[in-house]
Amino acid sequence: DAGVTQSPTHLIKTRGQQVTLRCSPKSGHDTVSWYQQALGQGPQFIFQYYEEEERQRGNFPDRFSGHQFPNYSSELNVNALLLGDSALYLCASSRQQSSGGSTDTQYFGPGTRLTVL
Amino acid sequence: AQKVTQAQTEISVVEKEDVTLDCVYETRDTTYYLFWYKQPPSGELVFLIRRNSFDEQNEISGRYSWNFQKSTSSFNFTITASQVVDSAVYFCALSEAGFYGGATNKLIFGTGTLLAVQP
Repeated sequence: DAGVTQSPTHLIKTRGQQVTLRCSPKSGHDTVSWYQQALGQGPQFIFQYYEEEERQRGNFPDRFSGHQFPNYSSELNVNALLLGDSALYLCASSRQQSSGGSTDTQYFGPGTRLTVL
Repeated sequence: AQKVTQAQTEISVVEKEDVTLDCVYETRDTTYYLFWYKQPPSGELVFLIRRNSFDEQNEISGRYSWNFQKSTSSFNFTITASQVVDSAVYFCALSEAGFYGGATNKLIFGTGTLLAVQP
């Protein structure tokens, strides 16, 4: 049973560029969340997708956008990259409970290390 | 506002010692969820435990145990007889409850505690 997978593993970009990160959820999971983890810090919630819609959002600017596909995989897009966007980007997946509005425990992927020069 | 505080930045112990990682949280919600995750050098967060605010029973899983005390807003994690493989960063996290009472999984993480277990 494959866990959460993310690609690419590492990425180097320059300021002002745009980047797309990809995530495939664990089998049976339908909800994907994205987190940003700066060096030496705890992860910070960016947003969560369910049924191809953004359901929750953290305190991140509109430069951060996402998408969820019918197969539940997801993309995170960051436009106009800043040096401060350098971080480990973690994807987490979970399964929406049948009662709706809440999810089972989420499991994390290995992350994508983004370096902005 | 919700907040998680892990006051211990780094802890170093010798193998076989017991170690407790502290976690203090703040929330105005009456229903919420608490988590512990382990992050080894590889970077992937490994789920350890999830506990809802109505279940204050302590839990033991092998060498791991958790002490949840609502009165002090703490959710501490103890590793008994530590091993070198326990070396990692440990995160405590908090999630609000959704409309139907389950976790929303919009996690608020603490800053983590780096545990180094020396052989």
